[in-house]
Amino acid sequence: EAGVTQFPSHSVIEKGQTVTLRCDPISGHDNLYWYRRVMGKEIKFLLHFVKESKQDESGMPNNRFLAERTGGTYSTLKVQPAELEDSGVYFCASSQDRTSGRGLILAKNIQYFGAGTRLSVL
Amino acid sequence: AQSVTQPDIHITVSEGASLELRCNYSYGATPYLFWYVQSPGQGLQLLLKYFSGDTLVQGIKGFEAEFKRSQSSFNLRKPSVHWSDAAEYFCAVGFYNQGGKLIFGQGTELSVKP
Repeated sequence: EAGVTQFPSHSVIEKGQTVTLRCDPISGHDNLYWYRRVMGKEIKFLLHFVKESKQDESGMPNNRFLAERTGGTYSTLKVQPAELEDSGVYFCASSQDRTSGRGLILAKNIQYFGAGTRLSVL
Repeated sequence: AQSVTQPDIHITVSEGASLELRCNYSYGATPYLFWYVQSPGQGLQLLLKYFSGDTLVQGIKGFEAEFKRSQSSFNLRKPSVHWSDAAEYFCAVGFYNQGGKLIFGQGTELSVKP
């Protein structure tokens, strides 16, 4: 079974340019998460898709970031225009969709992570 | 605010020595607790998890962790470290009603001396 795939593995762009990161989750996983790690800091949550719908985008830093998951399969994260502080490693994770009796998505759903995309904005 | 603290940014141990990586969280209720490891060029791999029950949990690669409610801690241990354990280790917590998102500590980089 293929794992979570992210590409590119590394992207170097200049300030003001646009970059699009892609994540292919494990087949059949309805939950897809984006996280980011800025150098020297902790990994931080960006947003969460359930199929094609954004369940939680509370971690998105600003409106320069746009995430999509058309058709509920792969997802893209676009940064436009990129700023220096956007540099870091962007991780994608996916999990199966299991909910509680009250319909809450459980944190017990194990998240499988990709290797990340290292973004360098110069 | 909910937070996870890994106080040791970098640890170096000799091969064969024991290892303990510390993790503390701040939250009133018991969260779901995880330890992940990232080797160079790889994604984060789940080592072990704690949801409830026995507070000592066993994971892959000979790792274990103990949940201590009174100390809000979930420290990771291994009795004898191998050179292949050199990697970065992340403690993370999740919560019942927050859609599965994880809150991570800053990570601890482990180096292993021959």
